[in-house]
Amino acid sequence: DTGVSQDPRHKITKRGQNVTFRCDPISEHNRLYWYRQTLGQGPEFLTYFQNEAQLEKSRLLSDRFSAERPKGSFSTLEIQRTEQGDSAMYLCASSFRRDGSGELFFGEGSRLTVL
Amino acid sequence: AQSVTQLDSQVPVFEEAPVELRCNYSSSVSVYLFWYVQYPNQGLQLLLKYLSGSTLVKSINGFEAEFNKSQTSFHLRKPSVHISDTAEYFCAVSSLNNNDMRFGAGTRLTVKP
Repeated sequence: DTGVSQDPRHKITKRGQNVTFRCDPISEHNRLYWYRQTLGQGPEFLTYFQNEAQLEKSRLLSDRFSAERPKGSFSTLEIQRTEQGDSAMYLCASSFRRDGSGELFFGEGSRLTVL
Repeated sequence: AQSVTQLDSQVPVFEEAPVELRCNYSSSVSVYLFWYVQYPNQGLQLLLKYLSGSTLVKSINGFEAEFNKSQTSFHLRKPSVHISDTAEYFCAVSSLNNNDMRFGAGTRLTVKP
């Protein structure tokens, strides 16, 4: 399967712990996006990478959140000192177009539950 | 910045009936419009998109959407739905110079036998 893969699919953690999610995009895609989705809402943009450069961050991405894409391939999203409000589905998507017309290919998401 | 409003959070419909899922957007620049579908326990996948040209776009499974610039709408329609169309449908907007795609809150389509 050559789609976008995310790991882990589910993560349960206690408040205050750190968590890290990994995303492997489609190999030829140079753009990688992170979105967050809560119950009853559509995906909300968090950040995006063009190759290894993080070019845009939403104000939803507080200082506790950090994302990297070290070699322009896979990406990680780390949440430090998790809070119950961080409970959500974290979606990764990739694209190969250089403008907004490109289709986003989504992974199945990583569901975070903060107790 | 662009935004999207999906006017119906849930749409129940009987099998073989027609359906329309409504989507309105706001933007100060030219837009690209998308409908994504999320089947239970699966990731979002593209259903259809409008980039330019003909305002009526169609998917391979019988859905169609029409871009209406004057009404800033991109409603999704299907003349006869199947049980297998039960899913969450998301309208999304982006533009030439925007790096993020903005999504609506979604419409849950439930097709009943």
